[in-house]
Amino acid sequence: GAVVSQHPSWVICKSGTSVKIECRSLDFQATTMFWYRQFPKQSLMLMATSNEGSKATYEQGVEKDKFLINHASLTLSTLTVTSAHPEDSSFYICSARVGTGATQYFGPGTRLLVL
Amino acid sequence: AQSVTQLGSHVSVSEGALVLLRCNYSSSVPPYLFWYVQYPNQGLQLLLKYTTGATLVKGINGFEAEFKKSETSFHLTKPSAHMSDAAEYFCAVSARSGNTGKLIFGQGTTLQVKP
Repeated sequence: GAVVSQHPSWVICKSGTSVKIECRSLDFQATTMFWYRQFPKQSLMLMATSNEGSKATYEQGVEKDKFLINHASLTLSTLTVTSAHPEDSSFYICSARVGTGATQYFGPGTRLLVL
Repeated sequence: AQSVTQLGSHVSVSEGALVLLRCNYSSSVPPYLFWYVQYPNQGLQLLLKYTTGATLVKGINGFEAEFKKSETSFHLTKPSAHMSDAAEYFCAVSARSGNTGKLIFGQGTTLQVKP
């Protein structure tokens, strides 16, 4: 139980294009999902908290107009990297929380490479 | 503000030896505590967690951790390392109050297991 999927697992795009990453909770409903960014050999950095049906809450320093988050249903949240640039290349990981519980379950991650 | 410190960015043990990964937290109120494991190019898998009750927590793959309030620690141990344990390990905390579910991660510890 508590499986989270992400799609795509890999994406390569040209600078200036937009990329959408999907995060799905497969066997549970997630009122809250989280988006993280991880650089090589580093820890996870929380980008934003996504609550179903409401606007995402972004962490300090994260550009909300660049990283668009939508949580339209209890099983799907999307992260769109708009006008991507090489510095946006990273490993993006989502997680989902079951109800109001303390535990987060993580997706397998999406590797983004912007050329 | 909460913080997590993992002592030792790299730990190397021989196969069959004891594994000890250290984690200390800083928080005015003991938080929820987690250990996650990450294999290369993958998301995070929950090893174990402490929320309440018994302070010695057993997790998957033979790992366990003990919450010591007096030491503000939550060290991860495994009696006998296996080659498959080689991975990145993250300690994380989440505040009990506010119920935001936000996780704060330590810097991570790379576990190397030598044959």
